[in-house]
Amino acid sequence: DQQVKQNSPSLSVQEGRISILNCDYTNSMFDYFLWYKKYPAEGPTFLISISSIKDKNEDGRFTVFLNKSAKHLSLHIVPSQPGDSAVYFCAASDSSLIYNQGGKLIFGQGTELSVKP
Amino acid sequence: DSGVTQTPKHLITATGQRVTLRCSPRSGDLSVYWYQQSLDQGLQFLIQYYNGEERAKGNILERFSAQQFPDLHSELNLSSLELGDSALYFCASSVGGGNEKLFFGSGTQLSVL
Repeated sequence: DQQVKQNSPSLSVQEGRISILNCDYTNSMFDYFLWYKKYPAEGPTFLISISSIKDKNEDGRFTVFLNKSAKHLSLHIVPSQPGDSAVYFCAASDSSLIYNQGGKLIFGQGTELSVKP
Repeated sequence: DSGVTQTPKHLITATGQRVTLRCSPRSGDLSVYWYQQSLDQGLQFLIQYYNGEERAKGNILERFSAQQFPDLHSELNLSSLELGDSALYFCASSVGGGNEKLFFGSGTQLSVL
């Protein structure tokens, strides 16, 4: 049962344009969401996060939008740069589990972004 | 550099064998997490340790086990290996045991032949 889904395995955009990466989740208890970026031969690195009390969080060129009713979040990269080419993972967790079951992030399958010069 | 060290980077072994993957967390981090990345499967959570104790368990097979030592490094033991165990195994660490962001190592690529 895939609780976090990234339905697009790959995405290609032109440099300078907007990249939009999508993520859907099924567990209504998820209340904290993160995006990680992964380059080849490296581990994932944290990019941006959002709590369910917000519907938008912005950090420079990166903005994450959360639509709780649709159980959907998206990552916008504007403007896209060739260095943004990587695999992007969406992750989610349920804060209520922290104190008795530990924190664990559930990851999606990833979307490979290619930004062409 | 995330500060999380995983060894070895690559491991090639045969079916039925046993291997040990090692992880040193960032200085000061008490939690260690193990994830498996197979083709088309994303990152699957295996297990979490917090300050030496098992804290959360995911889709970890009975043939797999892990532990966290007093110096906070962790080992993931994989036994009776099967072809399907070939994957990239990541270790991550965090300061606490909860919801904060994780810092990942660069992974151990396991190939079972």
